[in-house]
Amino acid sequence: DIQMTQSPSSLSASVGDRVTITCQASQDISNYLNWYQQKPGKAPKLLIYDASNLETGVPSRFSGSGSGTDFTFTISSLQPEDIATYYCQQYDNLSFTFGPGTKVDIK
Amino acid sequence: EVQLVQSGAEVKKPGESLKISCKGSGYSFTSYWIGWVRQMPGKGLEWMGIIYPGDSDTRYSPSFQGQVTISADKSISTAYLQWSSLKASDTAMYYCARRFSSGWYDWFDPWGQGTLVTVSS
Repeated sequence: DIQMTQSPSSLSASVGDRVTITCQASQDISNYLNWYQQKPGKAPKLLIYDASNLETGVPSRFSGSGSGTDFTFTISSLQPEDIATYYCQQYDNLSFTFGPGTKVDIK
Repeated sequence: EVQLVQSGAEVKKPGESLKISCKGSGYSFTSYWIGWVRQMPGKGLEWMGIIYPGDSDTRYSPSFQGQVTISADKSISTAYLQWSSLKASDTAMYYCARRFSSGWYDWFDPWGQGTLVTVSS
């Protein structure tokens, strides 16, 4: 099975700060990596697919990059409504794995 | 609008059986895989398994194989997750989500609202 790690597990930043989360796969997954946002008490929401493609309707301050085993998710200017936990997720031939999540809050 | 609506919260005792549901609407239910995801209290997301309602092809995460059963009734556009004998450790929120795939793209969207399962004596 492919394992996913994320860092940090949590972070606190100020409004307007640039926030970066990293995700690492235990083996090469090419670009087969998505990012989801989960706000408290809500279902997850797709933000980024195929490592770097922004889902329709998602603000452009969110972005993703990377390939192979190392991926990065960035919020260019943190907003109060971005308080959430962010998960990376790999997909490989009808098998899926989520990262452990990164909780983002406002300092 | 593509939508997945899950059944309501459940409170059960250890050893009891349970079947929760996920009803799809706004799209061809038989043409997309439906996945199930567990979220234990205060924890992250865990993929449990996935079913293709068109022919009931089902795949399980090794962690959940033999622990749960995933099924679907395409006549009523509904997928199910069931337990034959619940344990306290099954207490969690359970989400269903539609798998979208096209070429090398593959993601879960939309998601159901979640079903909270509480197992307590």
